[in-house]
Amino acid sequence: EADIYQTPRYLVIGTGKKITLECSQTMGHDKMYWYQQDPGMELHLIHYSYGVNSTEKGDLSSESTVSRIRTEHFPLTLESARPSHTSQYLCAARAHTDTQYFGPGTRLTVL
Amino acid sequence: QQQVKQSPQSLIVQKGGISIINCAYENTAFDYFPWYQQFPGKGPALLIAIRPDVSEKKEGRFTISFNKSAKQFSLHIMDSQPGDSATYFCAASSIYGGSQGNLIFGKGTKLSVKP
Repeated sequence: EADIYQTPRYLVIGTGKKITLECSQTMGHDKMYWYQQDPGMELHLIHYSYGVNSTEKGDLSSESTVSRIRTEHFPLTLESARPSHTSQYLCAARAHTDTQYFGPGTRLTVL
Repeated sequence: QQQVKQSPQSLIVQKGGISIINCAYENTAFDYFPWYQQFPGKGPALLIAIRPDVSEKKEGRFTISFNKSAKQFSLHIMDSQPGDSATYFCAASSIYGGSQGNLIFGKGTKLSVKP
């Protein structure tokens, strides 16, 4: 089982600010994912990575960017936050097996 | 195009009853079908999963039924409890076609179990 950590858990920020949502996992899983989810609603894949220096955009267009310079770390950055970015952001990781593990999420509110 | 269709969108069941959530898929290359459970304010957690070589898998009160010919699979929650109240997501994936096993999720079902 993977331990996936996301920080911060909650973030309230003003429009135009740059933010970075942190995601880390301790099990060395190659594949990592970012999803955007309004509370209780469907999951939208916004970014994924199959390993170090590998990043791809997901099905939902997002103004955020990601990086993967270490296996265990997959941060998501918004250069200029807007109210439309208000949502929950979920990080996930998966090894060569099928099981995908999710972190607890970051609830972002942009005023 | 949504590749995994989930129904119903919401479900209310009395305590002790059976909750049934259905999913249908289009891509015959899918070979892994998990169900996730999500409580408010939490990330989804894997509940149970099945591969197409079996028609049913049971873990405690939770059962997946899989119908390969109909391209459908369902989650049955027996003796439903108020603690089962959550949002449930079905998903499917395939290692083929370049997707490398990325999960395709249904839109979710909000289950409420009334005491």
